[in-house]
Amino acid sequence: DTGVSQNPRHKITKRGQNVTFRCDPISEHNRLYWYRQTLGQGPEFLTYFQNEAQLEKSRLLSDRFSAERPKGSFSTLEIQRTEQGDSAMYLCASALTSGSAYEQYFGPGTRLTVT
Amino acid sequence: AQSVAQPEDQVNVAEGNPLTVKCTYSVSGNPYLFWYVQYPNRGLQFLLKYITGDNLVKGSYGFEAEFNKSQTSFHLKKPSALVSDSALYFCAVRDGNYGQNFVFGPGTRLSVLP
Repeated sequence: DTGVSQNPRHKITKRGQNVTFRCDPISEHNRLYWYRQTLGQGPEFLTYFQNEAQLEKSRLLSDRFSAERPKGSFSTLEIQRTEQGDSAMYLCASALTSGSAYEQYFGPGTRLTVT
Repeated sequence: AQSVAQPEDQVNVAEGNPLTVKCTYSVSGNPYLFWYVQYPNRGLQFLLKYITGDNLVKGSYGFEAEFNKSQTSFHLKKPSALVSDSALYFCAVRDGNYGQNFVFGPGTRLSVLP
């Protein structure tokens, strides 16, 4: 299967711990996005990469959050000193930006529970 | 800043009947509009998009959507609903003149009753 994959699918952690999530996009896609989705809400944009460059970050992305995309392939999202309010589904999406109009392809998400 | 509204939390329709899931948007520039569907324990799947051209856009699984600029709407439609269409549907917008931020609506849960 050549879709977007995310690991782990589920993560339970204690408040104050650090967690890291991984996203593997569709191989030829140059753009990669991270979103957060809470119950009953649509995905909220966090950040995106064009190849290895992080080009935009949402105000939602506090300084406890950091994302990387070394070599423009997979990406990681790290949350330091987790808080209960960080509990959510974290979604990754990738896109091939040939032209200005394109759709994103989403992974299955990583569900984070902070206890 | 762009925004999306989906005025109905839940839409119920009988199998075989036409369905409509509503979406209205607000952007300062040109709207790029999208519909996604989310099934339980699965990622969001792209259904269709409007960028320019014909106001009626056809997408996957028999869905279509109509762009209405004067009403700033992009309602999702299907002539004959299937039970398997039951899922969570999200409308999204990107301002074609500014940034790469896709803004999603809160979602509408569609239930197709046999």
